[in-house]
Amino acid sequence: QVQLVQSGAEVKKPGASVKVSCKVSGYTLTELSMHWVRQAPGKGLEWMGGFDPEDGETIYAQKFQGRVTMTEDTSTDTAYMELSSLRSEDTAVYYCATQVYGDYNLLNYWGQGTLVTVSS
Amino acid sequence: QPVLTQPPSSSASPGESARLTCTLPSDINVGSYNIYWYQQKPGSPPRYLLYYYSDSDKGQGSGVPSRFSGSKDASANTGILLISGLQSEDEADYYCMIWPSNASPVVFGGGTKLTVL
Repeated sequence: QVQLVQSGAEVKKPGASVKVSCKVSGYTLTELSMHWVRQAPGKGLEWMGGFDPEDGETIYAQKFQGRVTMTEDTSTDTAYMELSSLRSEDTAVYYCATQVYGDYNLLNYWGQGTLVTVSS
Repeated sequence: QPVLTQPPSSSASPGESARLTCTLPSDINVGSYNIYWYQQKPGSPPRYLLYYYSDSDKGQGSGVPSRFSGSKDASANTGILLISGLQSEDEADYYCMIWPSNASPVVFGGGTKLTVL
């Protein structure tokens, strides 16, 4: 079983950046395809980006390109999502989600979520 | 990027079946894609339920009861989540998702709030 444990809630001012972490256990990060999904208050799920195992590259949703960076530290099995130039509309719960390589059940493991509040 | 259309709400009584739909745009053939389904209860992360491509190519999430099943209606270009024997605990938001290809963005539907009356 994969367990994903995310970092705690953050409060940021407009224009700042936030970096959310997602610690993996049960598998190593190299065995997983990690994605990030956010959910604004009272709204639906919005995919931000994820790792394409075929190309070995991270794909970002067009909406976030230029503002989001997803990285991985395989030495600690921790994935990171950094979002810059924050605005109030970025207030949301941010989730890491993943599946094991070769598993057709996509995004079948989720972190508990990290609330990011953007407020002046 | 494609838009997946889900009705905002649906309701059914305990013991009945609920049929939740996810309609793809006309330029994307539902027959060509896996349709994924997730359940989310207030204050919790989404829970993976299942994927459906065909009767011979489908998958169920770990611990997900068999009364949750998927199908497609090709004539309506729609993916379907069927929940039989509804229980009060099934009251939740349900999201569909597709990932057209590894090089394409993942797309979620807007979600359906299921009320068990």
